[in-house]
Amino acid sequence: GEDVEQSLFLSVREGDSSVINCTYTDSSSTYLYWYKQEPGAGLQLLTYIFSNMDMKQDQRLTVLLNKKDKHLSLRIADTQTGDSAIYFCAESMDTGRRALTFGSGTRLQVQP
Amino acid sequence: NAGVMQNPRHLVRRRGQEARLRCSPMKGHSHVYWYRQLPEEGLKFMVYLQKENIIDESGMPKERFSAEFPKEGPSILRIQQVVRGDSAAYFCASSPTGTPQETQYFGPGTRLLVL
Repeated sequence: GEDVEQSLFLSVREGDSSVINCTYTDSSSTYLYWYKQEPGAGLQLLTYIFSNMDMKQDQRLTVLLNKKDKHLSLRIADTQTGDSAIYFCAESMDTGRRALTFGSGTRLQVQP
Repeated sequence: NAGVMQNPRHLVRRRGQEARLRCSPMKGHSHVYWYRQLPEEGLKFMVYLQKENIIDESGMPKERFSAEFPKEGPSILRIQQVVRGDSAAYFCASSPTGTPQETQYFGPGTRLLVL
């Protein structure tokens, strides 16, 4: 079945690195996404990784995928106060179904 | 190039009224997805539409909810006889061709409050 889980809350100091974790259960996942949601706003696609990769880096963002453990993480280097938001991981499956399955989101709070 | 547009951004309805939520996909996109986000939860898929066709409505409640994406104009999510439990943020996403795993781009959402 489909199930994506995330920890609810993370607090870091400005300038530190943040690591947001996500686990999923469906081994047929092919793409895994990270979205950012600021208060009262929609979802902004940050990055995604294909399931045959184990790492992807994009400026301050690093995505790590451990397919054996079905574990995905998003690392934000040099975290800024503007990074405070809710971060959602989402998966899509190779069944052809277009629906994304989202986790419940991790609220990142950056302390100045 | 405008992104996905949704209106209204906020909608207040009394129990028993109808709610109509509109979504205009990004230019060149002909595939639309609707998701619902209950307070403090992640997004849950509702329905996937292509122009004039419902492709996947496996996430839609069986009663009171309907969706359409006409040949001309925006996609509409319609909720009849709203109840308090319908209060949520409703997000629309679009993609160009609907191929599996294609990136979906989200609109700002419509926040529905049922009194």
